[in-house]
Amino acid sequence: DQQVKQNSPSLSVQEGRISILNCDYTNSMFDYFLWYKKYPAEGPTFLISISSIKDKNEDGRFTVFLNKSAKHLSLHIVPSQPGDSAVYFCAASPEGRFGAGTRLTVKP
Amino acid sequence: NAGVTQTPKFQVLKTGQSMTLQCAQDMNHEYMSWYRQDPGMGLRLIHYSVGAGITDQGEVPNGYNVSRSTTEDFPLRLLSAAPSQTSVYFCASSVTGENTEAFFGQGTRLTVV
Repeated sequence: DQQVKQNSPSLSVQEGRISILNCDYTNSMFDYFLWYKKYPAEGPTFLISISSIKDKNEDGRFTVFLNKSAKHLSLHIVPSQPGDSAVYFCAASPEGRFGAGTRLTVKP
Repeated sequence: NAGVTQTPKFQVLKTGQSMTLQCAQDMNHEYMSWYRQDPGMGLRLIHYSVGAGITDQGEVPNGYNVSRSTTEDFPLRLLSAAPSQTSVYFCASSVTGENTEAFFGQGTRLTVV
């Protein structure tokens, strides 16, 4: 059973615009969420995280929003840059559950 | 800055063969884990370890064995390879395993024919 779901396999945005990547989860025991970025032929790298006691965490161009009642989180990238083109994974702790990933393409 | 090192990067096995995927970290992390990545499935946890001498099963442990004799090393053994084990394998480490970021190796692409 997929306890962490990323329902959009891909997303394409124009450079300079906002990218919004979504993630849903089913297990209410999850209390910490992370986003990872993955380039081809590399391992995932940590991007940003959020604790369940918060509803927003910001780090430069990256902001993660958490809606606990809806069991939904989203990653906003503003402004998007071509170098942001990668696969983004949502993950939930404990248990180390990952979503299937969303491939983001930022067009110049 | 070695971080998490996986070897080999690529491997082709015949059905029924056995092999060990190596993973080493130099960050003195207590928690280490193995994931496999398959198309449309994301990363799925195979086995994990919270410290030397302690291992446990993840989501998809069947067909794999692990051991943790030192803090640094966490090898993954395929006892009798099957085509269903064709995947990309990632080793990761983190300080505690809960509520902390994981550092991943570059991955091992395994093909079982």
